[in-house]
Amino acid sequence: EAGVVQSPRYKIIEKKQPVAFWCNPISGHNTLYWYRQNLGQGPELLIRYENEEAVDDSQLPKDRFSAERLKGVDSTLKIQPAELGDSAVYLCASSSSRGSSYEQYFGPGTRLTVT
Amino acid sequence: GNSVTQMEGPVTLSEEAFLTINCTYTATGYPSLFWYVQYPGEGLQLLLKATKADDKGSNKGFEATYRKETTSFHLEKGSVQVSDSAVYFCALSVSSNTGKLIFGQGTTLQVKP
Repeated sequence: EAGVVQSPRYKIIEKKQPVAFWCNPISGHNTLYWYRQNLGQGPELLIRYENEEAVDDSQLPKDRFSAERLKGVDSTLKIQPAELGDSAVYLCASSSSRGSSYEQYFGPGTRLTVT
Repeated sequence: GNSVTQMEGPVTLSEEAFLTINCTYTATGYPSLFWYVQYPGEGLQLLLKATKADDKGSNKGFEATYRKETTSFHLEKGSVQVSDSAVYFCALSVSSNTGKLIFGQGTTLQVKP
């Protein structure tokens, strides 16, 4: 079974530029999460989807961040414009409601550097 | 609020040494507790979990016991290997409906041959 796929793995941009991250969850997983992991910290949830519906986006900075999950499969997280403080690793995870919702499967992450 | 605190790293051990990584938590209600591991260049993987007080989670020689009286979930392994070198994250979830995880800051383990 293929795992959670994320791209790109690394991205370097200048501040004020836009950036987008893509995630393909494990086939059949209806729940998708985006986390942000700052250096030396644990991941923090940004947004959670149940199928195509964002059911928890309370931690998403909506002035510059947006996300979508069209057709309830792939998801894209966008930042526009990026700020220096957005430098972090952005993790995508997925889980199945048929199993324990606690068991989240994580992708390798996208490391964003804003200069 | 809900939070997780882990011991600071890095933890450096020789192969076959005993490992303890401390984790304490603050939570409303009755959380479930987890340990995730992140090997170099890979995504986080669930290592073990415990969903109620006094439960013991175990996997790959690692163990952790859910201690409600001390609000702790310390990770232990009797004999570490070089391949156990990774970052270990303690986490909790207070709602079975959301699966929202709250992570500690992570503890880096380095095992030397």
